[in-house]
Amino acid sequence: KQEVTQIPAALSVPEGENLVLNCSFTDSAIYNLQWFRQDPGKGLTSLLLIQSSQREQTSGRLNASLDKSSGRSTLYIAASQPGDSATYLCAVRLGTNAGKSTFGDGTTLTVKP
Amino acid sequence: DGGITQSPKYLFRKEGQNVTLSCEQNLNHDAMYWYRQDPGQGLRLIYYSQIVNDFQKGDIAEGYSVSREKKESFPLTVTSAQKNPTAFYLCASSGTYTDTQYFGPGTRLTVL
Repeated sequence: KQEVTQIPAALSVPEGENLVLNCSFTDSAIYNLQWFRQDPGKGLTSLLLIQSSQREQTSGRLNASLDKSSGRSTLYIAASQPGDSATYLCAVRLGTNAGKSTFGDGTTLTVKP
Repeated sequence: DGGITQSPKYLFRKEGQNVTLSCEQNLNHDAMYWYRQDPGQGLRLIYYSQIVNDFQKGDIAEGYSVSREKKESFPLTVTSAQKNPTAFYLCASSGTYTDTQYFGPGTRLTVL
């Protein structure tokens, strides 16, 4: 059974700092991995999708990397802003059943002005 | 505007009642999903559907039922058999099973 872990559960940084969020998974036979952002009481917003054949994806100040062999993905946020404050979740799709996604519990980020 | 709508935003259920949560998408996506989120936790998959008239159980399907009679609609019924239904319910869709998932705004269900 695929397990997805996100550490730390919470992170607080001053504005302008570069930061890295971590996502670990136990089964490396993944199809793809997706990073989401969730604001309190809201639905999820897709940030980046990395296919299993890719090493990284970039969108603006965000860069996500994938290392299947070690079972890890990182989300790098450059020059953090207070508006980046939210919970960030990763979700992994297995290659054997791509319809099922397994989510981590998320990292709650607070960026202080 | 293209997107996913969920209704109602808030729903209150009495013990022993069945309630149905609505999910509609106009993205022309084939795949649709229902997730449950409890406080401080990630999402757990309830049911998912790849095409019309076909759906599969996710990890926590007991006490829930779904139908997929139309491509754009995937309603979820929370039955009285679900012993702890208070949670935040999220519907999502994707072009195919392997594409990016897009989420609706969610329905918060509370049992009175």
